[in-house]
Amino acid sequence: DTAVSQTPKYLVTQMGNDKSIKCEQNLGHDTMYWYKQDSKKFLKIMFSYNNKELIINETVPNRFSPKSPDKAHLNLHINSLELGDSAVYFCASSFIWTETQYFGPGTRLLVL
Amino acid sequence: DAKTTQPTSMDCAEGRAANLPCNHSTISGNEYVYWYRQIHSQGPQYIIHGLKNNETNEMASLIITEDRKSSTLILPHATLRDTAVYYCIVRGDFGNEKLTFGTGTRLTIIP
Repeated sequence: DTAVSQTPKYLVTQMGNDKSIKCEQNLGHDTMYWYKQDSKKFLKIMFSYNNKELIINETVPNRFSPKSPDKAHLNLHINSLELGDSAVYFCASSFIWTETQYFGPGTRLLVL
Repeated sequence: DAKTTQPTSMDCAEGRAANLPCNHSTISGNEYVYWYRQIHSQGPQYIIHGLKNNETNEMASLIITEDRKSSTLILPHATLRDTAVYYCIVRGDFGNEKLTFGTGTRLTIIP
């Protein structure tokens, strides 16, 4: 049973396109996150949602819009994709008052 | 969040204990020390965390100095599958605080 799952695993697309990445967790957690890991392997948080409410919003371009339809899902929509958006995107989840975050397997996005 | 300093890379022989140091000299009283690791191409994995007492679980032990300015993660019997980047992170105990990943230590287990 996969605790945190992401789809797709790989995403290759052209500049200017709009794409979405989906994340689901079956751990009953109330908080979900999106992280970006760039080519230099730096892992940075982008967003965090608690009970469908945005609680962390780092300096991320407006082209990135997270959406949380319910506590178990946090999707990431990216408009007008740019070359610099190429990275691995990780979803994670946790209980807000605990310290352990569980990460998904990542979505490898390549913008051509 | 307090900044952490870790060696860029380390090697350890298979079967031996791997000791990974971390300096966090500016840690404050309510901040915990966390360790995560990232095996190649996978998502980060939680290992252990502690406040001031030493901690042990099925994966590792965490030794925190009395002044809390540094800590050591110990993998007691390293295997090839422990080859990964290990991140030492300091984070407060408030619910909405984020994990700030540094560059970590790339641990290579040598057969």
